[in-house]
Amino acid sequence: GAVVSQHPSWVICKSGTSVKIECRSLDFQATTMFWYRQFPKQSLMLMATSNEGSKATYEQGVEKDKFLINHASLTLSTLTVTSAHPEDSSFYICSARDLGSSTYGYTFGSGTRLTVV
Amino acid sequence: GIQVEQSPPDLILQEGANSTLRCNFSDSVNNLQWFHQNPWGQLINLFYIPSGTKQNGRLSATTVATERYSLLYISSSQTTDSGVYFCAVRPQEGFKTIFGAGTRLFVKA
Repeated sequence: GAVVSQHPSWVICKSGTSVKIECRSLDFQATTMFWYRQFPKQSLMLMATSNEGSKATYEQGVEKDKFLINHASLTLSTLTVTSAHPEDSSFYICSARDLGSSTYGYTFGSGTRLTVV
Repeated sequence: GIQVEQSPPDLILQEGANSTLRCNFSDSVNNLQWFHQNPWGQLINLFYIPSGTKQNGRLSATTVATERYSLLYISSSQTTDSGVYFCAVRPQEGFKTIFGAGTRLFVKA
């Protein structure tokens, strides 16, 4: 089945630095990928939709200058948290859909736990 | 936008017990999935079930699209079933997947 690989699994960074998270579709091409954020004991909240070759679409309340998204190829989307602060500490998960799949379900990466100290 | 409500929010079971988790949604959907999030945060796709009934081992799911709800059945629960179960839907308008708040399940040995 469709596999989405996400790296790193966890990262600790100092306040004020930037962190890049990668999301790759391993066995299919994804023109669209999605980035979610999950705070402890809460649900997944969609942050942005990443579109290959064009600008990402951000959900209301998400700062596009803080969360930079680049979808440069059909198999890779990256999320960069710029000038991270402790309140950015969260679990970030990406997802994509294999349009060639008969189920048309979404597959999720394993997530990245970001801790900003 | 579409609203997704899951119940119950929390559930404690004795190992071996059966349970039913419910997901109500406020608008027509093209896609509905049930996920299990394990203690490490990984989301495991359980079912892709926009309509009908599916079974996979001790788990089964039913979606009644016309009445806008889905049910996830867990039979003979095991401690490894513990975690959070999410229902996620994709509305007919657009392609975003919206998650419910989840049901937090704890299975006692």
